[in-house]
Amino acid sequence: EAGVTQSPRYAVLQEGQAVSFWCDPISGHDTLYWYQQPRDQGPQLLVYFRDEAVIDNSQLPSDRFSAVRPKGTNSTLKIQSAKQGDTATYLCASSFAGVSAETLYFGSGTRLTVL
Amino acid sequence: AQSVTQPDARVTVSEGASLQLRCKYSYSATPYLFWYVQYPRQGLQLLLKYYSGDPVVQGVNSFEAEFSKSNSSFHLQKASVHWSDSAVYFCALSMGGGYKVVFGSGTRLLVSP
Repeated sequence: EAGVTQSPRYAVLQEGQAVSFWCDPISGHDTLYWYQQPRDQGPQLLVYFRDEAVIDNSQLPSDRFSAVRPKGTNSTLKIQSAKQGDTATYLCASSFAGVSAETLYFGSGTRLTVL
Repeated sequence: AQSVTQPDARVTVSEGASLQLRCKYSYSATPYLFWYVQYPRQGLQLLLKYYSGDPVVQGVNSFEAEFSKSNSSFHLQKASVHWSDSAVYFCALSMGGGYKVVFGSGTRLLVSP
């Protein structure tokens, strides 16, 4: 079974540039999460989806960040105008919500550096 | 709001020694509790999880954790660590299936020879 796939692995930008991250979850997983993990910190939830619907995006900086999951499978997270404070690893995870205490399966992440 | 606190940012133990990594949670009911491990340049992997039943939960690679409702804790333990256990360990909490998972700040474990 294929795991969660993320691309690119690395991205280096100047402030003000845009970047998109792509995530392919495990087949059959209806829930998809995007986390931001600054260096030496824990993952912080940005947004999560059940199928194509956004369940919680309260921590997503909506003025510059956007996330979609149009067909309830793959997802894209976009930063419109990156800031140095966005430097972090962006982790995608998926799960199946039908299980009472579901396991999150994580991709390897995209490491973003904003200069 | 629910939260997770891992009070120790770094822990160093000698190979073969026992280990305890601490985790305290804040939530009004009994949450779903998890321990994940992160190796360098990798995503997080589940070690073990708890919701109800026996407060001592067994996980992969001989790890176990003990839930204490009175102390709001879910400490991770291992009887004898190996150098390959060096990694970052995260405690996490969820209100239930389909709810968001909240992570602590992590504890970096270094196992010295």
